[in-house]
Amino acid sequence: GNSVTQMEGPVTLSEEAFLTINCTYTATGYPSLFWYVQYPGEGLQLLLKATKADDKGSNKGFEATYRKETTSFHLEKGSVQVSDSAVYFCALSENFGNEKLTFGTGTRLTIIP
Amino acid sequence: DTAVSQTPKYLVTQMGNDKSIKCEQNLGHDTMYWYKQDSKKFLKIMFSYNNKELIINETVPNRFSPKSPDKAHLNLHINSLELGDSAVYFCASSRDPRVKTQYFGPGTRLLVL
Repeated sequence: GNSVTQMEGPVTLSEEAFLTINCTYTATGYPSLFWYVQYPGEGLQLLLKATKADDKGSNKGFEATYRKETTSFHLEKGSVQVSDSAVYFCALSENFGNEKLTFGTGTRLTIIP
Repeated sequence: DTAVSQTPKYLVTQMGNDKSIKCEQNLGHDTMYWYKQDSKKFLKIMFSYNNKELIINETVPNRFSPKSPDKAHLNLHINSLELGDSAVYFCASSRDPRVKTQYFGPGTRLLVL
């Protein structure tokens, strides 16, 4: 079956530091890949996505590249801000039928000023 | 304008009680979902409806019964509540089952005592 593995948190960084949150996946076909973010007390919001190999998703300074050869979709940001503190979820979905989103376990990120 | 709304936001109840959580979306989407997020932030899909028809039904106890009176609403009724049902329940919607960008509600925090 499909699965998503994220780096364990929590991750604590200083403001303006470089961020990487690792995500690898297992899928039977060629899935779409997503990063969702959950700010404190809120629901999940789509941060970025990529639908095929070598696609790069980007939003709000965050980037992730769909790497089929390493089955990875690592999230990066060059300079984090306090407002980026949240829980980040990597997810995948097969590109056929009614396949559901399969989420990773989430990585809690805390940015200190 | 709230895209996906849930009521109530908080629900505290005794073991053995029956409770309902309501979800409404004003995005004109055809597909709606229920997710359960446990205390470790692990997010797992429970149900999905498309045009009021059940399309995803994960291994969930029969005590959980979703109801979709129309495309814009998906309610979750839980019978005989147990301690292990304590979690945050998220509703989400998407344009159709093939579109994997989902929009999440703010969540309902359920505590069973």
